[in-house]
Amino acid sequence: DTGVSQDPRHKITKRGQNVTFRCDPISEHNRLYWYRQTLGQGPEFLTYFQNEAQLEKSRLLSDRFSAERPKGSFSTLEIQRTEQGDSAMYLCASSLAAQNTEAFFGQGTRLTVV
Amino acid sequence: GQQLNQSPQSMFIQEGEDVSMNCTSSSIFNTWLWYKQDPGEGPVLLIALYKAGELTSNGRLTAQFGITRKDSFLNISASIPSDVGIYFCAGQLGAGKSTFGDGTTLTVKP
Repeated sequence: DTGVSQDPRHKITKRGQNVTFRCDPISEHNRLYWYRQTLGQGPEFLTYFQNEAQLEKSRLLSDRFSAERPKGSFSTLEIQRTEQGDSAMYLCASSLAAQNTEAFFGQGTRLTVV
Repeated sequence: GQQLNQSPQSMFIQEGEDVSMNCTSSSIFNTWLWYKQDPGEGPVLLIALYKAGELTSNGRLTAQFGITRKDSFLNISASIPSDVGIYFCAGQLGAGKSTFGDGTTLTVKP
């Protein structure tokens, strides 16, 4: 396993369109996190899953955003009716659900809404 | 919510110099993490700290978990050009969710 994989790496979309991103975590990791990062800032937490259960959602995750992890393996993040303010790097991370465990990040999906 | 103050915001140093950066919080964390991010890439974990007072090294990098659990620092010794990048601290309180600082941008002049 080569680490957390995200697809696509880059996405340009027109305002109002829907987009979907995919994340494949490290295979033995049962926790999966989504973060958003804008220029000049650190990543901001959006949501996380333990296995297939979505256990926490940030207030940053508006109702236009939905994340799923149907089989407890890969996850998708969908943004509906994209807005220019959605332009950011979307990062996925995974970890083990255990005490003293750190998260490993993927390379991110850069979204540009025009 | 929890916020991390990371300083300095940027550093310009000469190759071979030592670097120190730190992170402070208004609330406590159970875990402190330090990541490095290159442009267009995701953050890469450098060091993880799990106990107050813990001092951990990874090659030329040394980090400490503050005794109050509200701060951490990262030192880089004998900097080299490939140390260039943005360094982020992150604190965890539970469930692995991290709160990140806004980064320290390091530039190393050869």
